Amino acid sequence: GENVEQHPSTLSVQEGDSAVIKCTYSDSASNYFPWYKQELGKRPQLIIDIRSNVGEKKDQRIAVTLNKTAKHFSLHITETQPEDSAVYFCAASKTGRRALTFGSGTRLQVQP
Amino acid sequence: NAGVTQTPKFQVLKTGQSMTLQCAQDMNHEYMSWYRQDPGMGLRLIHYSVGAGITDQGEVPNGYNVSRSTTEDFPLRLLSAAPSQTSVYFCASSYGVTNTEAFFGQGTRLTVV
Repeated sequence: GENVEQHPSTLSVQEGDSAVIKCTYSDSASNYFPWYKQELGKRPQLIIDIRSNVGEKKDQRIAVTLNKTAKHFSLHITETQPEDSAVYFCAASKTGRRALTFGSGTRLQVQP
Repeated sequence: NAGVTQTPKFQVLKTGQSMTLQCAQDMNHEYMSWYRQDPGMGLRLIHYSVGAGITDQGEVPNGYNVSRSTTEDFPLRLLSAAPSQTSVYFCASSYGVTNTEAFFGQGTRLTVV
C-alpha cells in the first residue's frame, strides 16, 4: 500500500519568514496530494491540493510543488504569520484507492 | 448546512465498556470514513464506506465495528474498550471516493481507563 513520509516533525520560524514542509510517497500511481491544516483542538481542514498533471499550485501565501519523478511534494508558506501556527498534514491518494494516506504531521510554530 | 457532526466531543470509558461514536453529514456525500489520531502518527484509517450498505476495513480496524444504513449516518462502535483505543477520533466525508476534499467532524477525544 501507499506510504507517506513527512518532514520535519516540528518547525519553528520567525514571523515573516518562509516555511517549507516536505513529503515523499511510495506509490508512483498516486495522483492526488492534499494538504490539511489542523489548529489546536480543531478539525483538519483542506488548505490546498494538487493533482499529478500539475507541477505547482499557488493560493496567496501558500503553494504546493510536486515532483513526480522523485515522488515528493512540498508545502511552501511565505510571509508567515502567527495564525499559521498549526499542525500540517500531507496526504496522497490515487484514482480507485479508497482512502487518503496521511503523513505523520508537522507542527509549525511562528514566533512573533 | 452543518457539515459533519460528531458526538460526543469527549468521553471517558472504563476498560471493557462498549460505546458508539456518532457521525452525521448533511452534504449528501457518498464516502464516509473514520480516522484515529495519535501523537506522531498522523491520521490512520479505521473503517470507511462508499455508500449506504457498503463498508470496509481500513488500516487499523481491530476492536471497531461500523454500519451505514443511511447516506447521512456512519456510527463507529467500540466493542470492548481498551486503553490502546485512547485517541482522538475523526469522522470525515467527501463527495467522491478519492481525489476530492474530505470534510472532517470536530473530533471525539476518547480516554479509556
